[in-house]
Amino acid sequence: DTAVSQTPKYLVTQMGNDKSIKCEQNLGHDTMYWYKQDSKKFLKIMFSYNNKELIINETVPNRFSPKSPDKAHLNLHINSLELGDSAVYFCASSQGGGQWNTEAFFGQGTRLTVV
Amino acid sequence: AQTVTQSQPEMSVQEAETVTLSCTYDTSENNYYLFWYKQPPSRQMILVIRQEAYKQQNATENRFSVNFQKAAKSFSLKISDSQLGDTAMYFCAFMKPGTYKYIFGTGTRLKVLA
Repeated sequence: DTAVSQTPKYLVTQMGNDKSIKCEQNLGHDTMYWYKQDSKKFLKIMFSYNNKELIINETVPNRFSPKSPDKAHLNLHINSLELGDSAVYFCASSQGGGQWNTEAFFGQGTRLTVV
Repeated sequence: AQTVTQSQPEMSVQEAETVTLSCTYDTSENNYYLFWYKQPPSRQMILVIRQEAYKQQNATENRFSVNFQKAAKSFSLKISDSQLGDTAMYFCAFMKPGTYKYIFGTGTRLKVLA
C-alpha cells in the first residue's frame, strides 16, 4: 500500500487552463506539504498544513490554492496556468510539529508541463 | 533564516568504493533534525538517514553513515561499498521542530561507475 499517493503522475496542459493535483496519505500523519522541484532539481516548500489548518504559505502566487478536506488529504488547484509553472510537484507528510518530528514521506511527484 | 549548502554539484565513484557527500548548514538553533534523501531517476524521494541534533552518536543505516559535526555545522554522508543502484541525486535537508518545513540543499548528483 502506497504511503503517500498523488495523482496524476504526469500532467500536460495548455497555458491558461486550470488543473488540480490530488494527494492522500495513509500514515496517520497530521502534517502535509506541497513542494515544488524546478528544472535544476531545487526543492522549495510551497505550503504546509497541520491538522487541516494552513501553517505556511511561502509567497506562492494566488493562482495556487491548496485545500485540505481532512488530515489525510491535501489537494492543489492551480488557476490560469503559466509556462513557468512547469515543474515537478511533490506532496509529503510527516508526524509532529512541536518539539519532535518524523522525517517527511514523499509522494511520487507530479510532472506538470504547461505548453 | 536557516540555509543548507551542498557544495558538490556532481560526484562519481567506482563500484565497491567509498564516497563522501558534503553538507553544511547555517542555524542558531540547538534542537533540529538533519536528513539525507535520495532521488533516483524514478523521481521518488527516499529517506536515506536521519540525525537528531541532540544525539552525539552518528547515525548509520547499513552502508550509509553520517559524520555529524554540530559545532562546525557539517553533516556529511558516507556511502560504503557503492553499488550501481546508489546512482541518484542526494539531498541534504534541515528541519527545526515547530516550523513545519524541511529546508533542502541544492543536491549532489552521484554516479556510480561499473
